[in-house]
Amino acid sequence: AQRVTQPEKLLSVFKGAPVELKCNYSYSGSPELFWYVQYSRQRLQLLLRHISRESIKGFTADLNKGETSFHLKKPFAQEEDSAMYYCALTKDGSEKLVFGKGTKLTVNP
Amino acid sequence: GAGVSQSPSNKVTEKGKDVELRCDPISGHTALYWYRQSLGQGLEFLIYFQGNSAPDKSGLPSDRFSAERTGGSVSTLTIQRTQQEDSAVYLCASSLGDSLEQYFGPGTRLTVT
Repeated sequence: AQRVTQPEKLLSVFKGAPVELKCNYSYSGSPELFWYVQYSRQRLQLLLRHISRESIKGFTADLNKGETSFHLKKPFAQEEDSAMYYCALTKDGSEKLVFGKGTKLTVNP
Repeated sequence: GAGVSQSPSNKVTEKGKDVELRCDPISGHTALYWYRQSLGQGLEFLIYFQGNSAPDKSGLPSDRFSAERTGGSVSTLTIQRTQQEDSAVYLCASSLGDSLEQYFGPGTRLTVT
């Protein structure tokens, strides 16, 4: 069965520091990978997806099939990046999202 | 236009009672999903609708849970004989049929006392 693992429940960095949120997945096929973000008192929203290969709000994520990872990175964290981040995948022929348990990022001033 | 809406935003019910949760997807979105967000379990898939049919019900935790969608629009998630472990935030999402991006509603926080 497919599984998404986010090893860090909590991550705290200082403003201006680089940040990396880890995501590993377990799936033998060709999944689509996503990062969703939930800011305080806001709804869950898509941050980026690997097939679009774009940078959103300074965040990037590269799919590494050899390491089955999809880590989220930003070179200079901002206070407004503080939020809950979820890594997710969909498998071939399915549209349901399988989520990791999330990482709460806190960016300190 | 408006995003996905859900009602009620909060629901407190007594153990053993039935509850209905409602989701209004974005107009024109053919796909609709229900997820559950609970402490310790993260976000779990419950059921997926394409139009009015549900090709994937694999995430429903027990036969106390059911969902329907009418007119290819509004969906209702029903939980019968609620238990304390049903306490969670129930999220609804919708997407265009051929798009992978899901748009989430604000959720319904269910508390079973």
